[in-house]
Amino acid sequence: DSGVTQTPKHLITATGQRVTLRCSPRSGDLSVYWYQQSLDQGLQFLIQYYNGEERAKGNILERFSAQQFPDLHSELNLSSLELGDSALYFCASGGDYGYTFGSGTRLTVV
Amino acid sequence: GENVEQHPSTLSVQEGDSAVIKCTYSDSASNYFPWYKQELGKRPQLIIDIRSNVGEKKDQRIAVTLNKTAKHFSLHITETQPEDSAVYFCAATQGSGYALNFGKGTSLLVTP
Repeated sequence: DSGVTQTPKHLITATGQRVTLRCSPRSGDLSVYWYQQSLDQGLQFLIQYYNGEERAKGNILERFSAQQFPDLHSELNLSSLELGDSALYFCASGGDYGYTFGSGTRLTVV
Repeated sequence: GENVEQHPSTLSVQEGDSAVIKCTYSDSASNYFPWYKQELGKRPQLIIDIRSNVGEKKDQRIAVTLNKTAKHFSLHITETQPEDSAVYFCAATQGSGYALNFGKGTSLLVTP
């Protein structure tokens, strides 16, 4: 157990739908990072939050959004889902350098 | 984000041989370079890292080297074992921040 908790582990949904992925960081970590992993694209950085505020942004689509709540858990919202959004979504948390990944949420869009 | 190029994409070695994976980065402000190992169906796990003020770091059979002038860094695994088989990812910080850009990964296969 890495201490980073992601729910749900698996999600199957239809095109056009909206889903929410949830992440609880390790105790004491203020930063949460979201990544998308697909077979041909490796680990793509989406967005970072630090203590409730957006800190860095990567290749996140406009259909995707995220937030970090006062208790430091984070949610990644994916809307108007397309088949190509099917992927493994990882959350990671960390202090300064280096971070720890959660076990991921596997999203399948059908 | 800034690019991190990684090669080779696949690497097959015999048990006991060495394996080398190389990465290049484009952001001259990057200052932290970790390596992650991902076994099938599992999360990436940090195996070694190096900061920009260090040229080399070793941890048992694993070592990482960094050449800031050339903007490249490498992972060296000696005396490889079948349990080293996994996908290895290099990463570099986005500038002087903490968010990481990852290479596309190297699938390492160690055959007995």
